[in-house]
Formats: sequence, C-alpha cells, structure tokens
Amino acid sequence: AQSVSQHNHHVILSEAASLELGCNYSYGGTVNLFWYVQYPGQHLQLLLKYFSGDPLVKGIKGFEAEFIKSKFSFNLRKPSVQWSDTAEYFCAVNARNTDKLIFGTGTRLQVFP
Amino acid sequence: KAGVTQTPRYLIKTRGQQVTLSCSPISGHRSVSWYQQTPGQGLQFLFEYFSETQRNKGNFPGRFSGRQFSNSRSEMNVSTLELGDSALYLCASSLVGVTDSGNTIYFGEGSWLTVV
Repeated sequence: AQSVSQHNHHVILSEAASLELGCNYSYGGTVNLFWYVQYPGQHLQLLLKYFSGDPLVKGIKGFEAEFIKSKFSFNLRKPSVQWSDTAEYFCAVNARNTDKLIFGTGTRLQVFP
Repeated sequence: KAGVTQTPRYLIKTRGQQVTLSCSPISGHRSVSWYQQTPGQGLQFLFEYFSETQRNKGNFPGRFSGRQFSNSRSEMNVSTLELGDSALYLCASSLVGVTDSGNTIYFGEGSWLTVV
C-alpha cells in the first residue's frame, strides 16, 4: 500500500532562515507528487507538483521541490522564509493508476520575525 | 472563477444521527473527491466521483457514502454518526482526475462536523 512520511512534525524558524521539509513515499510504480499548504483558517492550496520532466520543480511563493526517484523523496525547500510562510505543509502522492491522493501527516511551520 | 464550494461550513450532530454534506466543484470540473481531516489521522481519502460514478474508494466503513449528480455537484453522507467522525471534511475538484494529464486538484474550505 502507498504511504507518505513527513518526518518533521513541527519546525520553528526565524525569518530569512532556509527551509527544507522532508517527504518520503513508498510505492514502486510511477507517481505524481504534490506539496499543499494550509494557512491558518484557509483551505488547502497547491504549492507545486511534479508529474514528469525536470525533477526540480518550482512553485509559488519561492518554494521548490526536488524529486529524487532513487530515494523516493520529494523534499520541499525555500532559501529564505518569511513570517507569512507560517502554515501547515502537506506532501501528497498519487499513483498513476489511481485517482486518489495519499497525504503525509503534515508539517507545521512557524516563522518568527 | 468561483472555487470549490462546500455547505454547510459548520454543523453539530448527535451520535446516531446522519449527516449530508454538499460540494459544488469548480465550473467545468467533472471529478470530485472527498477527504477527512483530523488532528490524529491527518488527511485521509474517502472517495472520488467522476461523471456520476464512484471511481475510487478509501478505507472507510460503509456508513460513509457519496454520490455525484449530473451537474457534477456531489454529496457525502455519514449515517449512524460516532464521536470519532468529528472532523473537517474536504471536497476537492479537478477537470478529469489527477492521473489524467497532470490536472490540479483544488480544495474547498471544508465542512466542520462535530459529533456530540
């Protein structure tokens, strides 16, 4: 069965610090990969997605993620976080032969000014 | 264009009752999926509908059911409510489904269900 692991449950950073959130999945076939963000009181929004091609994907608000197939990973990065990045971040995987997203448990990011 | 709309936003039910939640997808979107979000279990897939047919189902008991209408609007129903059903129920829509040509899934704001 597919599963997604987000190892960082709670991350606290100061503004301008660099961010990397880990995401590992288990599935032997071809996958689509996503990062969603949920700001306080708001709905889930897509940050970025990987379907094929360049494994380094750039998303909105300066976020990027790198798909490393050999490591079954899709880590999210941002070189310099802002207070407004405070939110919960979810990694999700979709196997190419299904239409459902399997989500990780989420990482809560707090950025202090 | 309008996003995914879910109603009601908040509701309180008693154990044993049943509840129906509604979702209107983005105009033109034919795929609607439902997720349950709880602090302990995170986001879990319930089911997905496309053109009025259930295409995928998650690992939830039969008390959880859904349907999709010809206009792509969807409803989910939970019967014989239990305390553990308290959660945020999220609806998401996409043009034809995630596995088709990389379409993006868009989420609604969710319906907060509290079972007392």
